[in-house]
Amino acid sequence: AQSVAQPEDQVNVAEGNPLTVKCTYSVSGNPYLFWYVQYPNRGLQFLLKYITGDNLVKGSYGFEAEFNKSQTSFHLKKPSALVSDSALYFCAVRDSPTGANNLFFGTGTRLTVIP
Amino acid sequence: NAGVTQTPKFQVLKTGQSMTLQCAQDMNHEYMSWYRQDPGMGLRLIHYSVGAGITDQGEVPNGYNVSRSTTEDFPLRLLSAAPSQTSVYFCASTHRNEQFFGPGTRLTVL
Repeated sequence: AQSVAQPEDQVNVAEGNPLTVKCTYSVSGNPYLFWYVQYPNRGLQFLLKYITGDNLVKGSYGFEAEFNKSQTSFHLKKPSALVSDSALYFCAVRDSPTGANNLFFGTGTRLTVIP
Repeated sequence: NAGVTQTPKFQVLKTGQSMTLQCAQDMNHEYMSWYRQDPGMGLRLIHYSVGAGITDQGEVPNGYNVSRSTTEDFPLRLLSAAPSQTSVYFCASTHRNEQFFGPGTRLTVL
């Protein structure tokens, strides 16, 4: 069974400080991992994905994520937070390339960047 | 490209009514899916389709039907609406491991 955990419902960070949004996963095979962002009253927007290769993945809007197989984690990071980064962030996982393209989502983390 | 479009944006139903949420994509993606988003629960997969004429159930299919007569369209039908179906519904299409989401339909069942 596949699952994703986002242990923090809410993350607050001051503008200009580094931010981290945590995600851990569980899959039976090799994971495909994703981060999405949702702004108020909008659909989800793709940020980045890990399929294979370098453990550090760079994505949109200056975000990056580090895949750690031993810790089964895929934390989202940004060196310097902007107020405009305030949104709801979802981590998602898909199990192996042979399965259907179904994503399992975490419950989301609301990021607030304080001016 | 318009991407993934959904109609209506908002809908209020009474218990027992039926309706169809529309979803269309103009990117020629084979794979499409429907999710519902509820507070504190993330997104949960309702139904999905790997191509025209092929559909399958996701995590929470009860109370919903889908069909896929064309590559472009993937409507979601509520047969007899219940208050538990109050939610925000998102349609998505997938290409090369990236899902493209529509803007959502906010449904309230009274």
